[in-house]
Amino acid sequence: ETGVTQSPTHLIKTRGQQVTLRCSSQSGHNTVSWYQQALGQGPQFIFQYYREEENGRGNFPPRFSGLQFPNYSSELNVNALELDDSALYLCASSPNPREGEQYFGPGTRLTVT
Amino acid sequence: GENVEQHPSTLSVQEGDSAVIKCTYSDSASNYFPWYKQELGKRPQLIIDIRSNVGEKKDQRIAVTLNKTAKHFSLHITETQPEDSAVYFCAASVYNNNDMRFGAGTRLTVKP
Repeated sequence: ETGVTQSPTHLIKTRGQQVTLRCSSQSGHNTVSWYQQALGQGPQFIFQYYREEENGRGNFPPRFSGLQFPNYSSELNVNALELDDSALYLCASSPNPREGEQYFGPGTRLTVT
Repeated sequence: GENVEQHPSTLSVQEGDSAVIKCTYSDSASNYFPWYKQELGKRPQLIIDIRSNVGEKKDQRIAVTLNKTAKHFSLHITETQPEDSAVYFCAASVYNNNDMRFGAGTRLTVKP
């Protein structure tokens, strides 16, 4: 059984740029959720994808967008980066939205300068 | 939307003592309450969860209690060990893993 993986591990971007983060879900999981974890804080729910459709969204502006592919891997895109976007971005996969444990990936550390 | 508050923010105990972390939530529709442990530089891992139709759940040294009327739930760790040292997060959601809201975390230190 393959675990949740994310790439890249670390990333440094300049304010105003765009970034794409990637997540491969655990084998057999069709649901991926994305979270933003600022230093010293709990994860904040960005959105969830289920069978290639957005299935819920937290309080994040439209410049945060995502995709899910037929193999259930997912991307998080952030446009017009701001300094406050600096955080650890975690994805988590689960068997489906309604049941089963969600497993987190190791995260991508994004620094915006 | 849901708001989850967690206390205390830091907790230090002696090895062998018990530790209790408390959370409150605001959305009465929430019915799934997981607890995650995050060691330094690592991913959050689920340690125990409870659903609203259950008042208490126990797994070895870890237990969780839920009071739906008061909208609060607690994590209890007995016979603490140094390897229990980590940041613990409570969370709440209406639909299992969707739109899960986390508390700010409790940094637990177990002193040998």
